Amino acid sequence: AQTVTQSQPEMSVQEAETVTLSCTYDTSESNYYLFWYKQPPSRQMILVIRQEAYKQQNATENRFSVNFQKAAKSFSLKISDSQLGDTAMYFCAFTAGGATNKLIFGTGTLLAVQP
Amino acid sequence: NAGVTQTPKFQVLKTGQSMTLQCAQDMNHNSMYWYRQDPGMGLRLIYYSASEGTTDKGEVPNGYNVSRLNKREFSLRLESAAPSQTSVYFCASSEDTGRYTEAFFGQGTRLTVV
Repeated sequence: AQTVTQSQPEMSVQEAETVTLSCTYDTSESNYYLFWYKQPPSRQMILVIRQEAYKQQNATENRFSVNFQKAAKSFSLKISDSQLGDTAMYFCAFTAGGATNKLIFGTGTLLAVQP
Repeated sequence: NAGVTQTPKFQVLKTGQSMTLQCAQDMNHNSMYWYRQDPGMGLRLIYYSASEGTTDKGEVPNGYNVSRLNKREFSLRLESAAPSQTSVYFCASSEDTGRYTEAFFGQGTRLTVV
């Protein structure tokens, strides 16, 4: 069975600084997809970034980038130039794709950006 | 473009009462999902539907039933609510073609069972 682990329940960062959120996963699948979702206080689930396992290049989306280490089964999210609007719960998620894209989520990391 | 719409957004039930959470998507997606979110546990899959007329259990299906009424709608029913079902419920949909496509989420329903 696949599992996703986020070991940092809460983190804090100063505005304009860089922060890294950790995620590890376990799977026997050879191809899969990994995601970071942001959940602000509005409760909306927002896709921040995704990584396809067969792609060696780390995904980037503006200030957000990942460090994908396939052999170590690690998928961390780096947020550069942190902004107050980045304050949210962040979930790491996994899917093996196929017939349905059932997502397996980690327990989340609550990020607070301090002014 | 509404995306995924859930109703209601908030609900308080008494133990033993029943209710149905409604979900509709307007993106012509094949697959739909119901998740629950609990503090410290992330989101967990309750049920999913890969296509109209089919449903399958997820990780935590006990106490729930679902209906895929048509391609647009996927409802979640609590027949006899229990305090352990106090949670935030999310509906999601995706266009599954054998490879990954993005899942879109509704705004969630906060359910409290007293």
